Amino acid sequence: EAQVTQNPRYLITVTGKKLTVTCSQNMNHEYMSWYRQDPGLGLRQIYYSMNVEVTDKGDVPEGYKVSRKEKRNFPLILESPSPNQTSLYFCASSLIPLAGVTDTQYFGPGTRLTVL
Amino acid sequence: AQSVTQPDIHITVSEGASLELRCNYSYGATPYLFWYVQSPGQGLQLLLKYFSGDTLVQGIKGFEAEFKRSQSSFNLRKPSVHWSDAAEYFCAVGPGGTSYGKLTFGQGTILTVHP
Repeated sequence: EAQVTQNPRYLITVTGKKLTVTCSQNMNHEYMSWYRQDPGLGLRQIYYSMNVEVTDKGDVPEGYKVSRKEKRNFPLILESPSPNQTSLYFCASSLIPLAGVTDTQYFGPGTRLTVL
Repeated sequence: AQSVTQPDIHITVSEGASLELRCNYSYGATPYLFWYVQSPGQGLQLLLKYFSGDTLVQGIKGFEAEFKRSQSSFNLRKPSVHWSDAAEYFCAVGPGGTSYGKLTFGQGTILTVHP
């Protein structure tokens, strides 16, 4: 089954304790992305990756890191989490579209993070 | 910069009634538009998308949307709502070109369905 998986689904942590949220897709997609969802703000892009070893900032990258060492995996790293990073996080993937046409993104189930 | 506005934060309809969710976008060139649905505790599911061609787009679950360039709108419609349609709906715009896959989402519209 084609899917994007995220782990963990729920996480409660304390300020300053490094954490990693994993994301994996089995569709051989080149493009992967992380979003955070906050009430009233919709989804905002954190980082995205066009392919292995190619990453770039989205709209809200502060406080986050990513890596893309393998095509299927795109972990999100919070080196020193703070309470304002409490949010619902989604990973997504898609094919790199042909020139001029963006493609459908497939979303993971989400990770609910609480930073105390 | 691209942007999306969903003017209605919360809409309530009766089961069987028609539905229209509004979406207005701002983008300098031809936009690529999407509607996603998020059921409680779930991820996002694509309902439909518009890239080019016919401005009336059919999606899953009986939804459709119409692209109106003159009004910068991409409203989502359903002729008869079912209780299972209760969810949050997001409109999104993607630019294509060199910004592959960078989506900008609206704030979302929560749909409540009364029996």
